[in-house]
Amino acid sequence: GAVVSQHPSWVICKSGTSVKIECRSLDFQATTMFWYRQFPKQSLMLMATSNEGSKATYEQGVEKDKFLINHASLTLSTLTVTSAHPEDSSFYICSANRGLERDTEAFFGQGTRLTVV
Amino acid sequence: AQSVSQHNHHVILSEAASLELGCNYSYGGTVNLFWYVQYPGQHLQLLLKYFSGDPLVKGIKGFEAEFIKSKFSFNLRKPSVQWSDTAEYFCAVRPKAAGNKLTFGGGTRVLVKP
Repeated sequence: GAVVSQHPSWVICKSGTSVKIECRSLDFQATTMFWYRQFPKQSLMLMATSNEGSKATYEQGVEKDKFLINHASLTLSTLTVTSAHPEDSSFYICSANRGLERDTEAFFGQGTRLTVV
Repeated sequence: AQSVSQHNHHVILSEAASLELGCNYSYGGTVNLFWYVQYPGQHLQLLLKYFSGDPLVKGIKGFEAEFIKSKFSFNLRKPSVQWSDTAEYFCAVRPKAAGNKLTFGGGTRVLVKP
C-alpha cells in the first residue's frame, strides 16, 4: 500500500523554540495533506489541510501563526510549531490521499510525538 | 458540525470472544465511513471502508462493519478475536461535501486477554 512517512518520530524541545515536522508521501503525489493532533487518550483532531502551492486551510480554533504549514512539493508538507510551549506537547499525525481527491482512502504517517519542556 | 461517537472507551475480552464496537455519527448528508486500527507503537491502518453499495462491508483480518443509514451507525464486528487484535480502533466519517476531511470518533481501546 501507499506509504506516508513522518520525521522525526519524536522530538523534545525547550519552551520558546520552534520545531519542524515533515510529512512525505513516498510512492505517490499528494496535492492535499492533512495534519491532525492527538492528545493522550483522545481522538485525532484535524488541525489543517495542507495544499500544494497555496495556503493551508486551518480548522476553527487552530492558530495559523502558531502552526505554520508549508506544502512545498507534491510529496512533502511540513508543520512548524513556533515558539512551542508545554501545552503544545502532543502527538501530531499527517495523512495523504492517493489518487483522485474523492473516494480514496487516507494513508497516515506514523506520527510525531512532541514534548516541550 | 458533524460528530462521531464511539460508545465504548475501553473493551476487555478473552480470545475467541466476539467483538462489536459501536459508532454513530451526526450528519444528514451522504458520507463515507471508515474504521481504522492503531496497534501499539504503529500508525493508523485502514480496516475497512464504506462508500456505497452493500451496507455490510468486509475488511481485513476478519473484521466487518454494517452501515445502517436509518440509525446513522457503522458498527464494527469480529466473530472471534485474537490476542493480536489488541489495539485502538477509530471510526471516522467523511461527508462527501467535505472533500477528504475526516472526522474521527474518540477511539476504543481493545484489550484481548490470551
